[in-house]
Amino acid sequence: GEDVEQSLFLSVREGDSSVINCTYTDSSSTYLYWYKQEPGAGLQLLTYIFSNMDMKQDQRLTVLLNKKDKHLSLRIADTQTGDSAIYFCAETMRAAGNKLTFGGGTRVLVKP
Amino acid sequence: DAGVIQSPRHEVTEMGQEVTLRCKPISGHNSLFWYRQTMMRGLELLIYFNNNVPIDDSGMPEDRFSAKMPNASFSTLKIQPSEPRDSAVYFCASSLRQGAFTYGYTFGSGTRLTVV
Repeated sequence: GEDVEQSLFLSVREGDSSVINCTYTDSSSTYLYWYKQEPGAGLQLLTYIFSNMDMKQDQRLTVLLNKKDKHLSLRIADTQTGDSAIYFCAETMRAAGNKLTFGGGTRVLVKP
Repeated sequence: DAGVIQSPRHEVTEMGQEVTLRCKPISGHNSLFWYRQTMMRGLELLIYFNNNVPIDDSGMPEDRFSAKMPNASFSTLKIQPSEPRDSAVYFCASSLRQGAFTYGYTFGSGTRLTVV
């Protein structure tokens, strides 16, 4: 199957770390992505990880991939109010022609 | 590069009218995707093209929806006739497919469609 699951909501205090979790079901995933969507805007690619990696760091963002458990997480260090948005996890699978399948999104609210 | 360009940004139309959404992908990208976003159903893939050829249109809701890609720099999504339940934000995305892998999915800003 192509299910990608995320929790609906996360509240975090400014300056703390945020961790957004995602699970997927298909072990043939090739790339896994994190997108950010601010109100009224499109989807902005934040980062991605290839399925043969287990970690990727990009400034304040750290992606962890546990292939055994089919679990992906995005950690945002020193969360700022500008990080308030909806975050989408997505996967591509060679078997599915590399189309992108999205989770339902996690709404992150950063409180001052 | 200006990114993926969609037009119009907003469209309000009456039920029964034809609606045409437009997309210009990133130059050099060879895959193009149309998505629909609603509160109830989240992000749904409607159709995608590789090298201007439709590959998978299984997400197209019904025959009222059609999509074309006459060349590498332009695609349209048409709804005829439109219905209130078609109200949503429609996103276009493009990427570069090389062999078995696809890189650099980039989304446009979307078209917010309201059918009254």
